[in-house]
Amino acid sequence: GDSVTQMEGPVTLSEEAFLTINCTYTATGYPSLFWYVQYPGEGLQLLLKATKADDKGSNKGFEATYRKETTSFHLEKGSVQVSDSAVYFCALISSNDYKLSFGAGTTVTVRA
Amino acid sequence: SAVISQKPSRDICQRGTSLTIQCQVDSQVTMMFWYRQQPGQSLTLIATANQGSEATYESGFVIDKFPISRPNLTFSTLTVSNMSPEDSSIYLCSVDRGGNTGELFFGEGSRLTVL
Repeated sequence: GDSVTQMEGPVTLSEEAFLTINCTYTATGYPSLFWYVQYPGEGLQLLLKATKADDKGSNKGFEATYRKETTSFHLEKGSVQVSDSAVYFCALISSNDYKLSFGAGTTVTVRA
Repeated sequence: SAVISQKPSRDICQRGTSLTIQCQVDSQVTMMFWYRQQPGQSLTLIATANQGSEATYESGFVIDKFPISRPNLTFSTLTVSNMSPEDSSIYLCSVDRGGNTGELFFGEGSRLTVL
């Protein structure tokens, strides 16, 4: 079945450092790809998405590009802040299904 | 956007008992999804609940263990039956923004601890 594999954490960074969280996927058809974020004490929320190859999703300084040739959707931010400390989940939904499949999640801690 | 309220937010339960989690949405939605997030793990879809029909369960989840009700377009319940410590998890209700987009709104979850 369709699945996503993302970089294991935890990841600890200093403020203003560059963040990359790797995500690769396996899917039949043409999935849509997502990054969800779970801040401490809060519910899961959508961070960004991309629905077709070469699309770039962006939000709150985060970016991810849908790379069909490498089946990847890596999340990046050029300069992280303490407030970016959260658990990040890569996810996909198949073009022939309505169910969202999540990666294992990556815990990111940003230190001042 | 959709606002999703779940009750209870957390509970401590005894082995062998059952607990029902409620999910209320502030707008009408066709499909509601129930997920489980075990400690330190990702989200796993338990079932999809459509109004007026039986829920569709994912592999590894059965109706006897996780009965679901969906009496109307804004409400659903998930019961965790005959609980064991392995059922200790966060249970999350979610809805799609519309049209099977994959853009889900989530409730804050119900954290169950089974002793």
